[in-house]
Amino acid sequence: EPEVTQTPSHQVTQMGQEVILRCVPISNHLYFYWYRQILGQKVEFLVSFYNNEISEKSEIFDDQFSVERPDGSNFTLKIRSTKLEDSAMYFCASNGLAGGGVTQYFGPGTRLLVL
Amino acid sequence: DAKTTQPNSMESNEEEPVHLPCNHSTISGTDYIHWYRQLPSQGPEYVIHGLTSNVNNRMASLAIAEDRKSSTLILHRATLRDAAVYYCILRGDSNYQLIWGAGTKLIIKP
Repeated sequence: EPEVTQTPSHQVTQMGQEVILRCVPISNHLYFYWYRQILGQKVEFLVSFYNNEISEKSEIFDDQFSVERPDGSNFTLKIRSTKLEDSAMYFCASNGLAGGGVTQYFGPGTRLLVL
Repeated sequence: DAKTTQPNSMESNEEEPVHLPCNHSTISGTDYIHWYRQLPSQGPEYVIHGLTSNVNNRMASLAIAEDRKSSTLILHRATLRDAAVYYCILRGDSNYQLIWGAGTKLIIKP
């Protein structure tokens, strides 16, 4: 069964450093998402991406964040200058069609720790 | 965005049915009701979704009230592997994102 994959599984970085989190969505999917979950808290939406541009973004997704689909398979989240509060689990998700009745498929997540 | 209300936690015995309730009194006519779950230390996983009619799949059943203001996720025979946080989420046709609440932590007792 196709699945969303994410690398790395864990990332430790120093405050102020740039990090890039990588995702490979399911191959025929067109809509891509990043969510994050701070330890012990609920899942929060960051951004959605379709047709090579951002469709929606939350207030969390400020100028420090960017997303890119550099080739036909990868979808990346870049944090330019990490802060302590960026420590969280980051989940990538994808779905193939638009509409409220569509299932999103999630990756296993990247645990980011900012020191 | 329409909101959902779920109990913080529920307990059930292994191999018994579990009924997880969700209230969504402000649901609009085009909102789909989705259920996802998150097992410990894993990414969210789709469980089931519906619009108006009750739905069944290999994982669970979804019972939707006639007025659509509430729904119930039914696990017919819970196992220890079903211990997770279950999220009830409304998703409209114009929404790309999923809006997450706190969910219900399901504890399964052996």
